Order: sequence, then structure tokens, then C-alpha cells
Amino acid sequence: ETAVFQTPNYHVTQVGNEVSFNCKQTLGHDTMYWYKQDSKKLLKIMFSYNNKQLIVNETVPRRFSPQSSDKAHLNLRIKSVEPEDSAVYLCASSYGGADTLYFGAGTRLSVL
Amino acid sequence: AQSVTQPDARVTVSEGASLQLRCKYSYSGTPYLFWYVQYPRQGLQLLLKYYSGDPVVQGVNGFEAEFIKSNSSFHLRKASVHWSDSAVYFCAVSEKGANTGKLTFGHGTILRVHP
Repeated sequence: ETAVFQTPNYHVTQVGNEVSFNCKQTLGHDTMYWYKQDSKKLLKIMFSYNNKQLIVNETVPRRFSPQSSDKAHLNLRIKSVEPEDSAVYLCASSYGGADTLYFGAGTRLSVL
Repeated sequence: AQSVTQPDARVTVSEGASLQLRCKYSYSGTPYLFWYVQYPRQGLQLLLKYYSGDPVVQGVNGFEAEFIKSNSSFHLRKASVHWSDSAVYFCAVSEKGANTGKLTFGHGTILRVHP
């Protein structure tokens, strides 16, 4: 079954460390996204990429940087994590930003 | 700026009962509207979406929603819930034709169905 795959499922780290999350989609989509879901379940878009090009970049701290090697992969790096970065990070994909998003199961980050 | 309000943080119903989860949006133009469901430890799954046409849209697993423009609402309904419907339900809106994939979500409604 094709889907959106995220690794790792969970990650625990300390303030100041660098972390990297991976996302791969096998749906043949050309647009991928990172959303952040906070402790109150609220989801907000962070980035979106279309064919390896950044098309949406919401106001997020500069320590966050997306990395795309091809249209099937979109990773997220956080340089020097802060406590407020504790959240679930959800990767998603779609055809050309056509608004039907398919989500991965998420990566839960805990910053101690 | 667009926004979505889901006024009920938690809803508890008995299995077999009917269900309505409320959603109101604020958007100056013509919106695209969505309902997503999130089961424990899973990502969001699309239940249904409204782009245009018939204001009542059918989704998966017996869910439907009605777009009422005059009320800026897009409530989700189901005639008879099952215990497996217990999950978090999100209403979302995006700008028609924007093609950015940028969805604005409500805070979600936690649905608990008693067996």
C-alpha cells in the first residue's frame, strides 16, 4: 500500500541539539509539506515544496530548515532545538497543491 | 485572514446515536472546506471535501457535511456512530484556487463513542 512514511516515530532530545526528520511519499505526488501539531492538537503549516522548490514558508524560526532531494522526499532539520519545539511534526503530500493532502503518521519530538 | 472554529472541544455519544460536529469558518472569498479525522498515533485522513456544487457532500464511512454559506458553517454529520469512530475530527479551510496546499485547521473535536 502506497502512503506517506515518516521516521522516526518518536525522538527525545535535549535543548540545543540538532535533529532531523525524514519523510518519503510513494504516491507520485509533486508537492510535499511539513505541518506542526502542538500539544493542543492545533495544526499549522510550516513549509511546502513543489518539485524540490520552496513555495510556502510560514513564519517559523530560522533554526528550522526543510531539505528536499527529490519530489518524493522532504526532510526537516531543526538546528539547536528549544523546549517550544516539542510537538508532533506531520509530513503530507498532494498533487500540485490541489488541496487534498495525504498525511504521514507524524514524528513526535520531546525536548527536555 | 481565514480561520476555523470548532466550538466543541469534546463530544461524547453512545453507539448508534446520531452525531453532529460543528464547524464555522471565516473567509472573505469562496473557500474550499474539508473534514479530516485523526485516529490515535496516526496521521490525518480525509473524510470529505467541498469545492462547489451540491452543498451536501458525502464522505467515507457514512459521514456527510453540509456547506451553508449564509451561516459560514460546514457541520459534519453521521446518522449512526460506531465505537470505532472515536477519534479527533478536524475542520479545515483553504483558499479556492490558491493551489498552495495551505490549510487552516480548527482546533479539532475529540469524539468519544460509548460502546
